[in-house]
Amino acid sequence: GAVVSQHPSRVICKSGTSVKIECRSLDFQATTMFWYRQFPKQSLMLMATSNEGSKATYEQGVEKDKFLINHASLTLSTLTVTSAHPEDSSFYICSARVWTGGLDEAFFGQGTRLTVV
Amino acid sequence: AQSVTQLDSQVPVFEEAPVELRCNYSSSVSVYLFWYVQYPNQGLQLLLKYLSGSTLVESINGFEAEFNKSQTSFHLRKPSVHISDTAEYFCAVTPGRSGNTPLVFGKGTRLSVIA
Repeated sequence: GAVVSQHPSRVICKSGTSVKIECRSLDFQATTMFWYRQFPKQSLMLMATSNEGSKATYEQGVEKDKFLINHASLTLSTLTVTSAHPEDSSFYICSARVWTGGLDEAFFGQGTRLTVV
Repeated sequence: AQSVTQLDSQVPVFEEAPVELRCNYSSSVSVYLFWYVQYPNQGLQLLLKYLSGSTLVESINGFEAEFNKSQTSFHLRKPSVHISDTAEYFCAVTPGRSGNTPLVFGKGTRLSVIA
């Protein structure tokens, strides 16, 4: 079945540095990828929708200059947390939806645990 | 817009006992419904989904959920739980046949199975 691969699974960085998270669709083309953020013991909150070849669409309250999204190809979307601060520490998950005929499912990456110290 | 309410944040249950995790949704259009399971520090795994057809859907590991349009519910049930079922469960909704739209998640229910 469709697989979404997300890397790294864990990253620890110093405050003020930038971190890039990659999300790849391994056996299908994802024109759209979704980026979610999950705080401890809370649900997934949509941050932005990444569209191949165009600008990402950010949800209200999400700083687009802080969370840079690039979707340069049909199989790769990246999220860069710029000038990270401790409050950016969270679990980030990407997702791609496959909808062709009778198959409709959202596939999720393994998630990235970001810790900013 | 769609929304999901998971009424119970935590559900403790003894091993081999039945369990029901409740999920209600709100939408002005027809929807697809999903249940996902998340183990600590891992991504989400699809448990089961309702797209159309039979309102009772089943997973391979004994879970089932029933879509009830009149009550706008999609409760998850299992007749006999195991220790390995301990995890966080998320109910999610998305507009049906809408192509590339994101899933909207409930706040999750932590199922704790007690030996």
